Amino acid sequence: EAQVTQNPRYLITVTGKKLTVTCSQNMNHEYMSWYRQDPGLGLRQIYYSMNVEVTDKGDVPEGYKVSRKEKRNFPLILESPSPNQTSLYFCASSPLALSTDTQYFGPGTRLTVL
Amino acid sequence: AQSVTQLGSHVSVSEGALVLLRCNYSSSVPPYLFWYVQYPNQGLQLLLKYTTGATLVKGINGFEAEFKKSETSFHLTKPSAHMSDAAEYFCAVIRSGNTGKLIFGQGTTLQVKP
Repeated sequence: EAQVTQNPRYLITVTGKKLTVTCSQNMNHEYMSWYRQDPGLGLRQIYYSMNVEVTDKGDVPEGYKVSRKEKRNFPLILESPSPNQTSLYFCASSPLALSTDTQYFGPGTRLTVL
Repeated sequence: AQSVTQLGSHVSVSEGALVLLRCNYSSSVPPYLFWYVQYPNQGLQLLLKYTTGATLVKGINGFEAEFKKSETSFHLTKPSAHMSDAAEYFCAVIRSGNTGKLIFGQGTTLQVKP
């Protein structure tokens, strides 16, 4: 089944403890992206990647890192999480450009930082 | 800077009534515009998009939207609401020439009353 998977789906952690949220897609998509969703703010883009080894900042990249070493995976790394990073996180992928292709979203990861 | 404004964080309609969700954007260059839907506890799904060409765009589930450049609007409509349309709806924009960066509106929750 074609899908975007995220792990873990739920995570409670403490301030400063490094964590990684994994994202994987099995559709051979070039484009991948991370968003965070907060009430009243909609979704905000954290980072995106147009291709392997190519990443760029979205609107809210502070406090996050990403890497794209292989096409299918796009992990989100929080080196030192803080409570303001408590949010619902979505990974998404698209065959090529957003202007021409449909973006597919993962199920979300709910992160709580205490 | 580009932005997207969705007028009304909550919209309530009766089953069978017209659905109208408003979206206005700001962009100095021709934009690409999108509407996404999020059902409870799920990721986002693309409803429709405008890139170039016909300004009236038809999407899935009977929804359509019209790009009006003079009004900088991209309102979403559906002639007759169904209970299954209850969800959160997001308008989004990317700037032509930068097809990786996606900016979302704050979202509108649609309630459908029997």
